[in-house]
Amino acid sequence: AQKVTQAQTEISVVEKEDVTLDCVYETRDTTYYLFWYKQPPSGELVFLIRRNSFDEQNEISGRYSWNFQKSTSSFNFTITASQVVDSAVYFCALSKRNGNQFYFGTGTSLTVIP
Amino acid sequence: GAGVSQTPSNKVTEKGKYVELRCDPISGHTALYWYRQSLGQGPEFLIYFQGTGAADDSGLPNDRFFAVRPEGSVSTLKIQRTERGDSAVYLCASSLGAGSYEQYFGPGTRLTVT
Repeated sequence: AQKVTQAQTEISVVEKEDVTLDCVYETRDTTYYLFWYKQPPSGELVFLIRRNSFDEQNEISGRYSWNFQKSTSSFNFTITASQVVDSAVYFCALSKRNGNQFYFGTGTSLTVIP
Repeated sequence: GAGVSQTPSNKVTEKGKYVELRCDPISGHTALYWYRQSLGQGPEFLIYFQGTGAADDSGLPNDRFFAVRPEGSVSTLKIQRTERGDSAVYLCASSLGAGSYEQYFGPGTRLTVT
């Protein structure tokens, strides 16, 4: 069975602080894909990153970085120097190779206070 | 290019009525997905189309729910004899293929059953 757990329901930070959003997943597959999506107040899910299970190299994109560790089944997301525009709900998701669906976590609501 | 579009953006209906929700995917995307998102939850898979056929409908909650994609592009999600528990945001997503490809989501249709 596939499962994604985002234990942090809500996080508030003051602008310019760094924040890390946790994601822990469960799967018995050896090949799988992990994703992060952002859902701003407007409601539309925005794709942020995809990572396959064979690539544990961390990735940085501007203020965003992702730490994938297979040993702990985690795929954490860090925002550096947070901004008010980062306020949104962030979802982590898992997909199997040739899978037909994404398995989403319950999301972490991030509020960045000016 | 244009993203995934969904109509209507909001739908209010009375219990017992029939509703249709429409999704227009990104041009060239062969895979199309329907999800349902309840308040405070991540999207939950309903059905997946590859081309015109429903390749996986395991997420449909019961036989009141049905979806079609007759020409391999636009899809319609149909709900018969609506119940108050059907109230949710219905999301459509499309991708170049299943599994490893990121899914691009539409803005959703907020369905309220009174």
